Amino acid sequence: EIVLTQSPGTLSLSPGERATLSCRASQSVSSNYLAWYQQKPGQAPRLLIYAASSRATGIPDRFSGSGSGTDFTLTISRLEPEDFAVYYCHQYGSSPRTFGQGTKVEIK
Amino acid sequence: EVQLLESGGGLVQPGGSLRLSCAASGFTFSSSAMSWVRQAPGKGLEWVSAIGGSGSTTYYTDSVRGRFTISRDNSKNTLYLQVNSLRAEDTAIYYCAVGFGGYSYWGQGALVTVSS
Repeated sequence: EIVLTQSPGTLSLSPGERATLSCRASQSVSSNYLAWYQQKPGQAPRLLIYAASSRATGIPDRFSGSGSGTDFTLTISRLEPEDFAVYYCHQYGSSPRTFGQGTKVEIK
Repeated sequence: EVQLLESGGGLVQPGGSLRLSCAASGFTFSSSAMSWVRQAPGKGLEWVSAIGGSGSTTYYTDSVRGRFTISRDNSKNTLYLQVNSLRAEDTAIYYCAVGFGGYSYWGQGALVTVSS
């Protein structure tokens, strides 16, 4: 099983600032099948990024993903008020699929 | 428009059983692998199980293998999760999800509470 470790656990930033979230895998993610999701309280997760760097339909270009192998990054270039939420990485290249434990982006 | 609607959640005693359903519409269900993902109260996401489009291939996370069974009825565009021998740690919102690069679509979730 691939273990995904996200850091930091919590990121305290102000609107307009840049957010950099990390996801490290315990072994290489097959075909870089790594996705990022945003989740707000009481809502289902929303897909942001798939295949490490491809934006999902309708996702603003301030969200970008990068990385390969075992190290992946989600960057939010300028935080908007609606971006404060919990973010999860997810590998779907091998079974069992796994999620990271999440990074909370909170308002400073 | 893709829609996923879960049902069948509820309060059940430890050791009990439930069958969760996920009614799908807006896409070619029989061609789509489907998954269940759960989230315990205040916790993160946990992948539970997946099934191929024909239903012949299934996958489970270790903590539920042997207790949970995923299945589908392509004539009804419905996904199921039979959950048996329930434990307190199975208490969670259970989401069905679908997508071809990550999970593009999620249901609203069904709450399963295991308590005496």
